Amino acid sequence: EIVLTQSPGTLSLSPGERATLSCRASQSVSSSYLAWYQQKPGQAPRLLIYGASSRATGIPDRFSGSGSGTDFTLTISRLEPEDFAVYYCQQYGSSSFTFGGGTKVEIK
Amino acid sequence: EVQLVQSGAEVKKPGESLKISCKGSGYSFTSYWIGWVRQMPGKGLEWMGIIYPGDSDTRYSPSFQGQVTISADKSISTAYLQWSSLKASDTAMYYCARRVQGVIMPGDYYYYMDVWGKGTTVTVSS
Repeated sequence: EIVLTQSPGTLSLSPGERATLSCRASQSVSSSYLAWYQQKPGQAPRLLIYGASSRATGIPDRFSGSGSGTDFTLTISRLEPEDFAVYYCQQYGSSSFTFGGGTKVEIK
Repeated sequence: EVQLVQSGAEVKKPGESLKISCKGSGYSFTSYWIGWVRQMPGKGLEWMGIIYPGDSDTRYSPSFQGQVTISADKSISTAYLQWSSLKASDTAMYYCARRVQGVIMPGDYYYYMDVWGKGTTVTVSS
């Protein structure tokens, strides 16, 4: 089973700053199978990025995804107040999914 | 509008059985896999398993195999997650979500969960 490790666990930033979140896989993952989700307190997760770099419908262009193989990155170019949340990466393989442990982006 | 509507919060005692539901609308329910995800209090997301309502083909995460049963009734566009004997450690929020298989080119696909239910809180306490 592929393990996804997200870092850092918590990112303390101010509105307007750039956020860079990392997701590292224990073995190579097809870029097509890598997605990112945002979860705010009391809400269900929301799809942000699929195929490692494609934004989901309605997602602002300040969110971008990149990477390949075992290293993937979610970047938020300029943090808006509504972006402070927990972010999860997810990979698909063998008819199942696994999630990373999450990165919390909090207001500094 | 594509929606997954989950059943309401449950409070149960250890050893009791439970079946929670996830009803799809706004799309062809039999054409998309439905997955279940657990989130224990203050913790991250855990993949439990997935079902294809078209033929009830089901796959489980090794961590949840034998612990829960996933089923579906396509006639009413509803997927289910059930326990035969609950434990306190089953206390969590449970989400259902629709799996998308998007075609990049023949033989190459995207896979992701595009629509999520709001979740069902399950509390197991004596």
